[in-house]
Amino acid sequence: DIQMTQSPSTLSASVGDRVTITCRASQSISSWLAWYQQKPGKAPKVLIYDASRLESGVPSRFSGSGSGTEFTLTISSLQPDDFATYYCQQYYSYFLSFGGGTKVEIK
Amino acid sequence: EVQLVESGGGLVQPGGSLRLSCAASGFTFNNYSMNWVRQAPGKGLEWVSSISRLSSYIYYADSVKGRFTISRDNAKNSLFLQMNSLRVEDTAVYYCASENRVWGQGTLVTVSS
Repeated sequence: DIQMTQSPSTLSASVGDRVTITCRASQSISSWLAWYQQKPGKAPKVLIYDASRLESGVPSRFSGSGSGTEFTLTISSLQPDDFATYYCQQYYSYFLSFGGGTKVEIK
Repeated sequence: EVQLVESGGGLVQPGGSLRLSCAASGFTFNNYSMNWVRQAPGKGLEWVSSISRLSSYIYYADSVKGRFTISRDNAKNSLFLQMNSLRVEDTAVYYCASENRVWGQGTLVTVSS
């Protein structure tokens, strides 16, 4: 099985900050990676797919990069609505797997 | 509107069974593989099971293999998860999610005596 490791697990930041979250895969997954945002009591929302493609309707301050085993999600200027938990997910394998999550908190 | 709607969750005793359903609308259901993903209270996301477009390929997480069965009815645009021999640790919100990145709102399964 492919293990996905996210860092950091918690991140404290202020509105306007540039934020970067990292996701590492235990083996190469090419670009078969998605990033999700989840708020309490809500379903996950897709932000990025295929490592760098922005989902329709998602603000352009979100961007994704990477391939192989190292990936990043960047929020260029953190907004109040962005305080949430973020997950990466690989779909290279039919046995899908998620990172442990990164909670973005208000500093 | 593209959407997935889960149903069938509830409270069940350990060792019991439950069948979850997921109704799809707004997209061509039989064009996409489907997944069940769960989230225990306060925990992260855990993939449970996947089924290919024509049900030819089915996969399960080790934690549910032999107890859960995924199926789909393309004529009715529906996905199912039959859960048997339920354990306390199966308590979670269960989401259905499609290959085209659509997620349902989730249904809560609570396993408790």
